[in-house]
Amino acid sequence: SQQGEEDPQALSIQEGENATMNCSYKTSINNLQWYRQNSGRGLVHLILIRSNEREKHSGRLRVTLDTSKKSSSLLITASRAADTASYFCATDRREAGTASKLTFGTGTRLQVTL
Amino acid sequence: GAGVSQSPSNKVTEKGKDVELRCDPISGHTALYWYRQSLGQGLEFLIYFQGNSAPDKSGLPSDRFSAERTGGSVSTLTIQRTQQEDSAVYLCASSLYGEKLFFGSGTQLSVL
Repeated sequence: SQQGEEDPQALSIQEGENATMNCSYKTSINNLQWYRQNSGRGLVHLILIRSNEREKHSGRLRVTLDTSKKSSSLLITASRAADTASYFCATDRREAGTASKLTFGTGTRLQVTL
Repeated sequence: GAGVSQSPSNKVTEKGKDVELRCDPISGHTALYWYRQSLGQGLEFLIYFQGNSAPDKSGLPSDRFSAERTGGSVSTLTIQRTQQEDSAVYLCASSLYGEKLFFGSGTQLSVL
């Protein structure tokens, strides 16, 4: 079953605008990660935020985490056509001493037009 | 290799046939994962291997699915008596410290 649910399912914006995607999850987590997928194949890790962090930045990406609401958001600023992809959140509920067992959401399809 | 390698990239098979999908993780990565992604959907966890520990098979959808990891490196996912609902992209990922996952490009499986 899906742990994360992204919102919106699809988003279309113009180049230069900001894109915001949201992720909600159901159970407590150790960390939450965002991945990007082009053309339905391999995923690329974007950013990881731990449960004791509230905000994190990486280049044009800004991620927030609200554990009380069990939600996260990914903001892409000054979007480019090359940002067109699907974006997935993934939650890590791993127990101490075990490897990550990420549970992925359903994804947001972002279309950036010129 | 430089990244996670999966083969074949595409596989077309007939219903009822067995298929084997291969994953070659990044050298030195101790954790290896298999996920399945149906068209337009999120990723469904199948199985993961961590070092010499027993694999977590909790995501395998039926006993037709099995996986092994030989020598702590290459992994093979086997699907016996394939069904049309098995059609999907099968993604492999590896990890060094058990957090950030590195994905391969996947195998597109089509069962006719």
